[in-house]
Amino acid sequence: QKEVEQDPGPLSVPEGAIVSLNCTYSNSAFQYFMWYRQYSRKGPELLMYTYSSGNKEDGRFTAQVDKSSKYISLFIRDSQPSDSATYLCAMSAERDDKIIFGKGTRLHILP
Amino acid sequence: NAGVTQTPKFQVLKTGQSMTLQCAQDMNHEYMSWYRQDPGMGLRLIHYSVGAGITDQGEVPNGYNVSRSTTEDFPLRLLSAAPSQTSVYFCASSYGTGGAEQYFGPGTRLTVT
Repeated sequence: QKEVEQDPGPLSVPEGAIVSLNCTYSNSAFQYFMWYRQYSRKGPELLMYTYSSGNKEDGRFTAQVDKSSKYISLFIRDSQPSDSATYLCAMSAERDDKIIFGKGTRLHILP
Repeated sequence: NAGVTQTPKFQVLKTGQSMTLQCAQDMNHEYMSWYRQDPGMGLRLIHYSVGAGITDQGEVPNGYNVSRSTTEDFPLRLLSAAPSQTSVYFCASSYGTGGAEQYFGPGTRLTVT
């Protein structure tokens, strides 16, 4: 079993819809969780950073962590065409550890 | 701040040639790292550094060398390029001595023929 699993997509949704992106992981020691957004031919940019379980909200974005299920999610409300990108989850056991990336989910928001 | 900068943006090499990919950051970050990104493989860590004078291997270090003589710079050297090293290379940096909250550069697209 890979340490971090992420459906590669592509995921196509109409503008204005709520998007749900997910990752599962196998290492119960992970406690730092990140979501990166990567536009085509650009470097990844950090979108959300959470510690342990629970929810974190930032504008239209909500990150959710369920450590008991080893499952993390990123929700995008009122999705816009500008949200079309690849979204990578990432996680680490300690803040100073190397982070493990998922392979990314390609998201297309249809106008 | 310029953030993380990488040069060149594009490079074509012949098999066996060597070259250095440059990476610099102006955020006084201790942690710097190099990744390669290939279709279907995601981001894979090549080498990383937790501070000047300290480097360590990541997941896929073979064929690459690094050094960290200053906090700002972290060059990646390809010793003898192979077609398997055709990839997009990203440099990243972060606060502290770990990989959380990394800031990525724009990438270098390398083709080895």
